[in-house]
Amino acid sequence: DAGITQSPRHKVTETGTPVTLRCHQTENHRYMYWYRQDPGHGLRLIHYSYGVKDTDKGEVSDGYSVSRSKTEDFLLTLESATSSQTSVYFCAISESEAEAFFGQGTRLTVV
Amino acid sequence: AQSVTQLGSHVSVSEGALVLLRCNYSSSVPPYLFWYVQYPNQGLQLLLKYTSAATLVKGINGFEAEFKKSETSFHLTKPSAHMSDAAEYFCAVSGAGSYQLTFGKGTKLSVIP
Repeated sequence: DAGITQSPRHKVTETGTPVTLRCHQTENHRYMYWYRQDPGHGLRLIHYSYGVKDTDKGEVSDGYSVSRSKTEDFLLTLESATSSQTSVYFCAISESEAEAFFGQGTRLTVV
Repeated sequence: AQSVTQLGSHVSVSEGALVLLRCNYSSSVPPYLFWYVQYPNQGLQLLLKYTSAATLVKGINGFEAEFKKSETSFHLTKPSAHMSDAAEYFCAVSGAGSYQLTFGKGTKLSVIP
């Protein structure tokens, strides 16, 4: 299995609070991604990174920000959590168009 | 822009029957295509991928998929379903200089004893 660790694995937070999810990789892959998974929607890209300090928006980026200060870490921040951000969040890494490896996911509940 | 359509959000088959999960893609250039499986409360596991080599791709757990450019399809099949195949399956596409995956909405496979 690819070395991808997501933390925390589960989190319950209140509406309006900031939340940061962490993705850590040990594969030295250049590309890192954050997806959210919701029933009936599959996985949708939130943000991605193509290098240290190089990030870009995905399909559903509103309400989220990211940072990548080191190759191995990619952080996803919800500045002010809303109930619509209750979801399962997956981190992925890749080094080419022909592969992508996923973490185990973080289940976030906003109450 | 690339897109993926999975036909059927739920598919039920009897144990031992053929499994056929449908995936059609839209891409302006030759794509990379993937099938992932997700078991309950777990992450995504790669079943197989097409990267412009052989058009018939064999994956894990007895699954295979055939890339048909003329039909823009990449359907997933397995000759004989097992109870352990019950899971959600996702088709995805990348390519055209875009390393990110675009996913279909998923198909939940149920296997009836």
